[in-house]
Amino acid sequence: QSVLTQPPSVSAAPGQKVTISCSGSSSNIGSDFVSWYQQIPGTAPKLLIYDNDKRPSGIPDRFSGSKSGTSATLDITGLQTGDEADYYCATWDRSLDTGVFGGGTRLTV
Amino acid sequence: EVQLLESGGGLVQPGGSLRLSCVASGFTFKNYAMNWVRQAPGKGPEWVSIISGRSGDGTSYTKYADSVKGRFTISRDDSKNILSLQMNSLRAEDTAIYYCAKCTYRTGCHGLYLESWGQGALVTVSS
Repeated sequence: QSVLTQPPSVSAAPGQKVTISCSGSSSNIGSDFVSWYQQIPGTAPKLLIYDNDKRPSGIPDRFSGSKSGTSATLDITGLQTGDEADYYCATWDRSLDTGVFGGGTRLTV
Repeated sequence: EVQLLESGGGLVQPGGSLRLSCVASGFTFKNYAMNWVRQAPGKGPEWVSIISGRSGDGTSYTKYADSVKGRFTISRDDSKNILSLQMNSLRAEDTAIYYCAKCTYRTGCHGLYLESWGQGALVTVSS
């Protein structure tokens, strides 16, 4: 059971928008920044969003993140078939004093 | 360009030991905290351990997931740009791909912001 809760799967048609949620608590999301990672099967996770809503260079602005209280969301607009992947939220948990990942969300386009 | 290259994975019997290494290049290794993250087959990533860059007095801090505490030891050799993970008393549930990952600060990874990852090393614990 993951400390951060994500829906197991989401789906939408090409060109549409999808939102992936990540729910935590006051000791993790509520007290630290959130990162999001994209993982295509067989490859290493790739940083998508950091500091709640910032994109590394090279990440399209179709990907956006936000945080409110103890929850965070990842929005993907203009969906492309190449966006099919697993998406994970992550942060630091101050009570556990460990890094924590969400259970992951499989996106089907 | 940041490059992280893991090695040392393989098949080991339950109760055995294995040492993973991660050779870093493309950045000033000593200035950044480093992590190990693992991913069991069909599962999501699991954070394993972090080691900070050395402070002014030459010390680093380390932290571990409860699942590996007391069995795994993270270390770094800043002269060779190598991150290591010594894994003892291995269990079947330690079977996973192990990734090394770079923080953006010497002191740690706020928000578990891991900006660069290696390609991973497969560890299989089985008799």
